Amino acid sequence: SQELEQSPQSLIVQEGKNLTINCTSSKTLYGLYWYKQKYGEGLIFLMMLQKGGEEKSHEKITAKLDEKKQQSSLHITASQPSHAGIYLCGADLPGADGLTFGKGTHLIIQP
Amino acid sequence: DAGVTQSPTHLIKTRGQHVTLRCSPISGHKSVSWYQQVLGQGPQFIFQYYEKEERGRGNFPDRFSARQFPNYSSELNVNALLLGDSALYLCASSLVVRSYNSPLHFGNGTRLTVT
Repeated sequence: SQELEQSPQSLIVQEGKNLTINCTSSKTLYGLYWYKQKYGEGLIFLMMLQKGGEEKSHEKITAKLDEKKQQSSLHITASQPSHAGIYLCGADLPGADGLTFGKGTHLIIQP
Repeated sequence: DAGVTQSPTHLIKTRGQHVTLRCSPISGHKSVSWYQQVLGQGPQFIFQYYEKEERGRGNFPDRFSARQFPNYSSELNVNALLLGDSALYLCASSLVVRSYNSPLHFGNGTRLTVT
């Protein structure tokens, strides 16, 4: 089974609407990272969360890490075409070298 | 400032051949990591190097090897290529090995196609 589960797998949202993407782990996360990827390109770092209950915002994107440090959400307010892409969560998991990534959420913004 | 640069951007190889991918980290970053991303999946960790030493290895066969040079650039080598090695290979750099204040910064990747 996937160590990091992302939901939904894909999302089609009308421009201007809000949306939320979730990332869940069965293990306690040492650190949780959100990245955005344009199709076939590299990953762009968005935010990093470390502490339980932590919340960070950048422009219209807010990310939260729950108190137990096993689930994170990424919320986009008033979505724009520039938000379209693949959103990936990555985490430092106990006993693992490197970051473990989820499969990604494909976000499409409809005008 | 230049970000992480990778070369080549695209590569087509035949089964059984070997390939070398190259990566230059962000200036000042001493750690380089390699990831493989197969279509429709998230990146999978292959290697991490820090100060020219291997500091982490993912679940990949011995056909995969890497090294880091004194200028902190890195090479990923794959021998005896298989069709399943077709993927986007991503290089990432960071200031240190595993500091929670040092996120990974990725290059645009090398798209490897094995025929």
